[in-house]
Amino acid sequence: NAGVMQNPRHLVRRRGQEARLRCSPMKGHSHVYWYRQLPEEGLKFMVYLQKENIIDESGMPKERFSAEFPKEGPSILRIQQVVRGDSAAYFCASSPRDGGYTFGSGTRLTVV
Amino acid sequence: SQELEQSPQSLIVQEGKNLTINCTSSKTLYGLYWYKQKYGEGLIFLMMLQKGGEEKSHEKITAKLDEKKQQSSLHITASQPSHAGIYLCGADRDSWGKLQFGAGTQVVVTP
Repeated sequence: NAGVMQNPRHLVRRRGQEARLRCSPMKGHSHVYWYRQLPEEGLKFMVYLQKENIIDESGMPKERFSAEFPKEGPSILRIQQVVRGDSAAYFCASSPRDGGYTFGSGTRLTVV
Repeated sequence: SQELEQSPQSLIVQEGKNLTINCTSSKTLYGLYWYKQKYGEGLIFLMMLQKGGEEKSHEKITAKLDEKKQQSSLHITASQPSHAGIYLCGADRDSWGKLQFGAGTQVVVTP
């Protein structure tokens, strides 16, 4: 079992570019969660998805950020027109239907 | 403000000594999770507690959840350099599906 796989591990983008972060959940897990860890801050919930459904996006910024978990393939967190303030570590977690969260190693986004 | 309060914010402990980290909520928790994070890396799952009064141990780490399900502690016995890192408590507040985290406790183990 490969665990939760996130890629890339590190991503550098210039201001105004788009960032795409991928997350493949653990085998058998149908629930995916995205969290953001800003420098010197704690982990903050962003969005909770099941296959083809957004269950809770209460932690997502209103603009430029979107997430999907298609029927086939990994979950994608997409950030359009990145700004320096988007620089952070983005973590994905997955769980089976009854809880128990496994985290990936994260994607560290740097906006230059 | 943090909904989960972790204390202390950081601590330095000599190798071989014990340490305790606390996690407190003003509201009843549905589930309480402890994770460890090494700087620049992902989160490693340690323990999950769901029942009031529950206590779990793994190797030298013991986690407890009080009867009211509002406070948890993580205790490390005879600390080793491998125990160094940031310890995070996370909680399901109303139902599972969205973890809220404390600010973390940085643990340094000195020779």
